[in-house]
Amino acid sequence: GESVGLHLPTLSVQEGDNSIINCAYSNSASDYFIWYKQESGKGPQFIIDIRSNMDKRQGQRVTVLLNKTVKHLSLQIAATQPGDSAVYFCAENGGTSGTYKYIFGTGTRLKVLA
Amino acid sequence: GAGVSQSPRYKVAKRGQDVALRCDPISGHVSLFWYQQALGQGPEFLTYFQNEAQLDKSGLPSDRFFAERPEGSVSTLKIQRTQQEDSAVYLCASSLGTSGGWYFGPGTRLTVT
Repeated sequence: GESVGLHLPTLSVQEGDNSIINCAYSNSASDYFIWYKQESGKGPQFIIDIRSNMDKRQGQRVTVLLNKTVKHLSLQIAATQPGDSAVYFCAENGGTSGTYKYIFGTGTRLKVLA
Repeated sequence: GAGVSQSPRYKVAKRGQDVALRCDPISGHVSLFWYQQALGQGPEFLTYFQNEAQLDKSGLPSDRFFAERPEGSVSTLKIQRTQQEDSAVYLCASSLGTSGGWYFGPGTRLTVT
């Protein structure tokens, strides 16, 4: 498959360890955030979202943390598996409810080591 | 099919050629979006359709870019007189609404030589 980026920040973790992927968002007015996973040769896939009235949201094996004070978002993946290897993007809505013009970050490549 | 499909998956064009990229959204999805993803970057918004109406084309980088969705289903993104800077992956997404629940296609990787 094609590569989505050759010079992305890369996080390498051992299989079974927890992963933390960070994102600094740009617009203090943003009130809705999404994490996407993009595997090689595929389009972005929704993982989890969070609204600004929350600071933490949990899904299956994933947790998103939001710190509005420093405009920081993180994605935690528990017990990382080889299938988690991908590029992860955060996206923000720029503060316009219902917007479709999400602003994507540049992405972080997660490599899971066997 | 169950998801959003795009064709071709790969396209190589010589500078100055016109190209047409196709998106087949999920059946019944009202909203359709086109995004451009340069190498090593996140996707950037190009244009948005609600049914057949193009409600926002503010992200199209130049008047060489044109998108249509004449029957409110399949969409085509056309790029005229391609330039090297047009090289990117072009992603299509569809959804029932606008604010979430998007499903992205696999993208078309355009390389302009």
